[in-house]
Amino acid sequence: EAGVAQSPRYKIIEKRQSVAFWCNPISGHATLYWYQQILGQGPKLLIQFQNNGVVDDSQLPKDRFSAERLKGVDSTLKIQPAKLEDSAVYLCASSPGSAGELFFGEGSRLTVL
Amino acid sequence: AQSVSQHNHHVILSEAASLELGCNYSYGGTVNLFWYVQYPGQHLQLLLKYFSGDPLVKGIKGFEAEFIKSKFSFNLRKPSVQWSDTAEYFCAVNRRNNDMRFGAGTRLTVKP
Repeated sequence: EAGVAQSPRYKIIEKRQSVAFWCNPISGHATLYWYQQILGQGPKLLIQFQNNGVVDDSQLPKDRFSAERLKGVDSTLKIQPAKLEDSAVYLCASSPGSAGELFFGEGSRLTVL
Repeated sequence: AQSVSQHNHHVILSEAASLELGCNYSYGGTVNLFWYVQYPGQHLQLLLKYFSGDPLVKGIKGFEAEFIKSKFSFNLRKPSVQWSDTAEYFCAVNRRNNDMRFGAGTRLTVKP
């Protein structure tokens, strides 16, 4: 079966610019997650969707980050305006349910200059 | 604060040495436990998982982990590592119907 697809793989922007990342989960997976992984750290949950509803966005910096999952399938994560500390790999993962194994995409590496 | 702790940041072993990576969590109640691995240049993938039952679980590539409820621990073990085990290992905890939290990771380097 096809895995979790993410794009772009790499993005370099200057601070205060905006960027968007796209994720297409595994077909049929109801739960979708966005994680931020800063170099040397473990993945940190930004937002969790169950179908097209938000389950948890308590760690999402809502003044600059936004995410949506229209129609309960693919999802977009946006950062506007970007800060230097947003440099990280943004991981998308999906799961058939909310308590089981996560399947990860390759990630989108963001560098903010 | 509730968290997932991995004791070692970087472990260096020679081939055939035994491996044990520590993981402790501070969440109460019922949890699901996971170890994920990230090989160089690849995405995170599941190594093994524990939901219930036998606290000693076996995963891919000869890895196993033991859940000790009283110690809130889920340590990863392998009797004899190979050069190809060089990777970053992440412990993760999922509180049922809640989010998946990851530890900071342990980088394993196996010298040939």
